[in-house]
Amino acid sequence: DQQVKQNSPSLSVQEGRISILNCDYTNSMFDYFLWYKKYPAEGPTFLISISSIKDKNEDGRFTVFLNKSAKHLSLHIVPSQPGDSAVYFCAADTGNQFYFGTGTSLTVIP
Amino acid sequence: DTGVSQNPRHKITKRGQNVTFRCDPISEHNRLYWYRQTLGQGPEFLTYFQNEAQLEKSRLLSDRFSAERPKGSFSTLEIQRTEQGDSAMYLCASSSDPGLGTEAFFGQGTRLTVV
Repeated sequence: DQQVKQNSPSLSVQEGRISILNCDYTNSMFDYFLWYKKYPAEGPTFLISISSIKDKNEDGRFTVFLNKSAKHLSLHIVPSQPGDSAVYFCAADTGNQFYFGTGTSLTVIP
Repeated sequence: DTGVSQNPRHKITKRGQNVTFRCDPISEHNRLYWYRQTLGQGPEFLTYFQNEAQLEKSRLLSDRFSAERPKGSFSTLEIQRTEQGDSAMYLCASSSDPGLGTEAFFGQGTRLTVV
């Protein structure tokens, strides 16, 4: 069973606009979430994280929002740049393992 | 330190053969993970080590799979009697501390193709 879901397999955005990537989870016990970014032929690289005691975490152009009651988180990238084109994975951290979503492929159009 | 290193990067093998992959984590990292990723899916947890102790194994890790981390440094993942369904990207990751919120650093992966 997929405990972390990313229902949009792909997203295209114009350069300079906002990219919003969504993620839902089913296990209310999850307390920590991360976003990873993956380029082709490379391993995932850490982007940003959020603890369940917060509802927002910001790092430069990247902001993650967490809505615990809805079991939903989102990653906002603004302004989007062509170098942001990659696959983005949402993950829940249990302390022993990460549960990853299926990923959203973001394309930023110049 | 150049990060997590995995070898080989690609492996093509015939069904029924045994294969072994190696992962060298970031040197001071105590925690080491193995994940598998198939096309269109996110990485799926296989197992993790805290130093040399293997603490958790996924049900995905059938008895044909074995992982070791002698001396708590590098790790190997062996697949015996490979099947076509084993074709996937095998990812290794390491982190400095156990517990919530510790970022894991991933290697570039070993892509296995079973023909």
